[in-house]
This record gives sequence, C-alpha cells and structure tokens, in this order.
Amino acid sequence: DAKTTQPPSMDCAEGRAANLPCNHSTISGNEYVYWYRQIHSQGPQYIIHGLKNNETNEMASLIITEDRKSSTLILPHATLRDTAVYYCIVRGGYQKVTFGIGTKLQVIP
Amino acid sequence: GAGVSQSPSNKVTEKGKDVELRCDPISGHTALYWYRQRLGQGLEFLIYFQGNSAPDKSGLPSDRFSAERTGESVSTLTIQRTQQEDSAVYLCASSPQGPIMNTEAFFGQGTRLTVV
Repeated sequence: DAKTTQPPSMDCAEGRAANLPCNHSTISGNEYVYWYRQIHSQGPQYIIHGLKNNETNEMASLIITEDRKSSTLILPHATLRDTAVYYCIVRGGYQKVTFGIGTKLQVIP
Repeated sequence: GAGVSQSPSNKVTEKGKDVELRCDPISGHTALYWYRQRLGQGLEFLIYFQGNSAPDKSGLPSDRFSAERTGESVSTLTIQRTQQEDSAVYLCASSPQGPIMNTEAFFGQGTRLTVV
C-alpha cells in the first residue's frame, strides 16, 4: 500500500472552509485517493474518492495535484458536526484498506 | 438489511473466556474487513476477506485471534482466552471490491468489547 502522511490535528473556525492536506508521494497509477472520517464513538464514514481529477459531492471537494503526490480535502463551510478524525487512504483494486492515524479536525464556534 | 450489521453491540467478558463477534456485511459485497480500535487510538487492521481468495491475516495480533467467513456472507471474529488488552471496539466493513471497481467501504457501528 502507498503510505500517506497527514498533520495530526487542525483547527477551523465554524463557517470557514476546512482544508485538510494529505501527502502520498509513492502512489501508483491505479491507486485511488479516499477520504473517510470518524466522528466520536461512531464507525468511519466515507466522504469522497478520486483518481486524478478533482471531485466534488454534497459533503466535500477533493483536489488532487497533477503529479498525484498530494491531495486536499475541502469542507467548504465547516460546522461543529464536522469535528472528527479525517483519514486519507490510497488503494487500488483488491488492496486491503488500511488507516493511518488521520487528522483530528476541531471546528471552533 | 441496508447496512453492515454487527452483534453484539456491547460485550463484557471475564479474562480468559472466549468471545465471538459477528458481522453481517451488505449483500453482494465480496470484500470484508475487521479492524480493532482501542480507546483514543486509530483503526488497526486485523484481517481482510476477498471473495474465495485466502484471507489476508497479516494484522491478527496473536494466535488467540481468528476469523472465518462463509462465502460472501456473515463473518465471525473469535478471540480465545481474552486478555484485558483485548478491550477495544471491533469494527467490521464491507465493500463491493473487484478488479475494475474502486468503491467505498461501509462500516458497521462496531462491537465494544470489555475484558474484566
């Protein structure tokens, strides 16, 4: 599996955009970038994934650099309910899904 | 059911007893994962089933841990001779994983195991 590195924690003011970075410099051509989050005491929740194009859904946007060595998850208007641990994962096809320690995002009122 | 179902939701057991945790994946999902999450820690991969292939057991912490899956349906994780350090939330996930598919994994709500 390609490894990912994320900052251990970040703060964001409520209503502002939260930009969560992820480095995955050893990603290979068939591997996708996934983001999940885990709100306290709950199972992880899928947010978004992409291969090389930027993606957007109702929850977030995913920006992947042209060389695919890093990506940024954007929560456009963070709310208190977005406080969670955010995991960036890369995998392809049959690979198992492994989680690092993620980024603990604290949204501040 | 619509989602991944795990049972029991909570389990308290005495040290040295065996426990069995159950996971019902989403129908049709060929991939199934087990993870362990200790209090305040990240998700620790335990085992991965993919269709009829041999499971990836590389994350099982000791030979007291084992898991089985019947075809593409229910899975059980068994912990023998439980120890206090086994106390954690055990999470199961499934995904419709295949050679050309790259999809999300869906998680259950976990089983909280407490060894006293």
